[in-house]
Formats: sequence, C-alpha cells, structure tokens
Amino acid sequence: QKEVEQNSGPLSVPEGAIASLNCTYSDRGSQSFFWYRQYSGKSPELIMFIYSNGDKEDGRFTAQLNKASQYVSLLIRDSQPSDSATYLCAVNSGGGADGLTFGKGTHLIIQP
Amino acid sequence: DVKVTQSSRYLVKRTGEKVFLECVQDMDHENMFWYRQDPGLGLRLIYFSYDVKMKEKGDIPEGYSVSREKKERFSLILESASTNQTSMYLCASRIGVSYEQYFGPGTRLTVT
Repeated sequence: QKEVEQNSGPLSVPEGAIASLNCTYSDRGSQSFFWYRQYSGKSPELIMFIYSNGDKEDGRFTAQLNKASQYVSLLIRDSQPSDSATYLCAVNSGGGADGLTFGKGTHLIIQP
Repeated sequence: DVKVTQSSRYLVKRTGEKVFLECVQDMDHENMFWYRQDPGLGLRLIYFSYDVKMKEKGDIPEGYSVSREKKERFSLILESASTNQTSMYLCASRIGVSYEQYFGPGTRLTVT
C-alpha cells in the first residue's frame, strides 16, 4: 500500500517568514513528486514538481527531494497571506499509468 | 496553458438517478483521471484511462463507470446515485506516466 504522509496542521507562519512543508512517502520506487496548492472550495493547482534529488527553485518556492530518506519538502519564502491554503504532496511510483498517491494535505495559515 | 474543463460546477441530483459528469482537456493528453475528494479522506482515485476506449479501476470504483470515446473527453457515470456519492468530483489529465497532472475546476455533486 503506497502511502504519503503529511502533517495536517494548521501550520501558522508570520507574513514575510519562510513556510516549510514536509512530506514522507513509503514507496522507495517513487520517481516523481509534486506539490499542489488548494484553496478552500477550489481544485488543486500544481505549483512545483521535482524528479531528482536536491533542490528546485521557482520564484518564492523551493522543492527539496531526498530519495534516501524518502522525504520531500516545499519552502515558501517571503510568505504572503495569499499563500494561505492547503498544500498537497503527491507521489508517482511510475509503475503504470495510474494516478498519483496524494497526502491529505497541510493547512497553511499566513498571519498578517 | 493546459486547460481541463468540467461540465458543471454544482449539481444536485436525486437518489437513484443516473448522473453523467463530463471532462474535456485541450492538450492532447494520453492519461485522464477521475477523483473524488471528501473532508478527512483526501483525494481518492475512482477510475483512470490511459488511451481512448481504455479504462482501469482506481481505489474506489464501486458505483461508478466511465467512458472514453474520444481522446479529449472522459466521462464519469453514476449508474444509480446514492447519498454517499455526495462529494467534490475532480477530473485530471497528464501527457504520460510520471509527468505532471492538471486538474479541472471540480464538480460539487449533492445527492438528496
């Protein structure tokens, strides 16, 4: 059974600080990793994906992958109130054409 | 930009009705997916399709069927709607295995 674990939160971060979101996964064969942002009542929006160990930066967002530790993280620099949302971690083991295994999400609150 | 559209944002149906949810993507993606999302349970995969006329069961296929007659369109069918199928239904598509997946806006279905 493939599992993706996230702390449900809420994670409260002051405006302008760095928000750090973490995710662990159980399938060591996982090959691609994704972060989605979901506002209340809306559908998930892809914000980052990472395939290789290390860091990947896109604007204020940095995804970090450590396959040896089976750990993925998302850093949000200079956090804004508009970053308040639920962040879903998703993992694809690449074994077939099936969908992703999603974590249940971390609720992030950016306090002005 | 990838665009995934769903036929309705909100839908109210009666118990026992046959319900059709339609999803269309405009990026020539091979793979398409149907999920449902419920509070506390996260995203759960109902069915997916990796090609026209091909379909595979996901984690919770009971009470649902799907149809993919054209590459851009993937339909979810509730054969006889029940109250426990009240949920947010999300369609998604991607170009192929291990690649990023994009969601439609979702259909909030209420079965009374």
